[in-house]
Amino acid sequence: KNQVEQSPQSLIILEGKNCTLQCNYTVSPFSNLRWYKQDTGRGPVSLTIMTFSENTKSNGRYTATLDADTKQSSLHITASQLSDSASYICVVTAGNDYKLSFGAGTTVTVRA
Amino acid sequence: GAVVSQHPSRVICKSGTSVKIECRSLDFQATTMFWYRQFPKQSLMLMATSNEGSKATYEQGVEKDKFLINHASLTLSTLTVTSAHPEDSSFYICSARTGYETQYFGPGTRLLVL
Repeated sequence: KNQVEQSPQSLIILEGKNCTLQCNYTVSPFSNLRWYKQDTGRGPVSLTIMTFSENTKSNGRYTATLDADTKQSSLHITASQLSDSASYICVVTAGNDYKLSFGAGTTVTVRA
Repeated sequence: GAVVSQHPSRVICKSGTSVKIECRSLDFQATTMFWYRQFPKQSLMLMATSNEGSKATYEQGVEKDKFLINHASLTLSTLTVTSAHPEDSSFYICSARTGYETQYFGPGTRLLVL
């Protein structure tokens, strides 16, 4: 069964600090992995997408990494801002039917 | 990126009534649209997949007679929650894609059934 697990479930950080979110998956065959940001009451917005051959991808203060051998990904947020407070969801696309497998998300709260 | 809109953004209705939610792809033609529901502090759960001009494919456990999906054009899909009950209260999100390319998500619709 294709699964995506994220950790931690939630975290609180001070404004300006960095944090790293983790994602482990068992989806096979693998097509790509995306990190989404979902603000409360809004739909998910894509931050990064990585295919099998990509190890890292940046989008501003967001940097995602992918280790396809260990089936792990991380999302690093640098110099956090209050607007980074949101749920971050790891989504893996299967390579056969292109179905999406969603992680449960990590809720990040940035405090002043 | 591509834009997907949903209408309404939130709706409150009485138990037993039906509610229709629209999902539109604004700047691309969506051959496939997806409907998800999301409960508080949980991730998105796929309800059904619809291809333009054909019947929707429902995920296991989703009642097709309760959640009517119509994908009449390449830019519009509708989800109708029939005879809504309080347990149907949730956040409904649609997404759209062309072929097997990126799925773009709508902003979601908050449904509250009293």
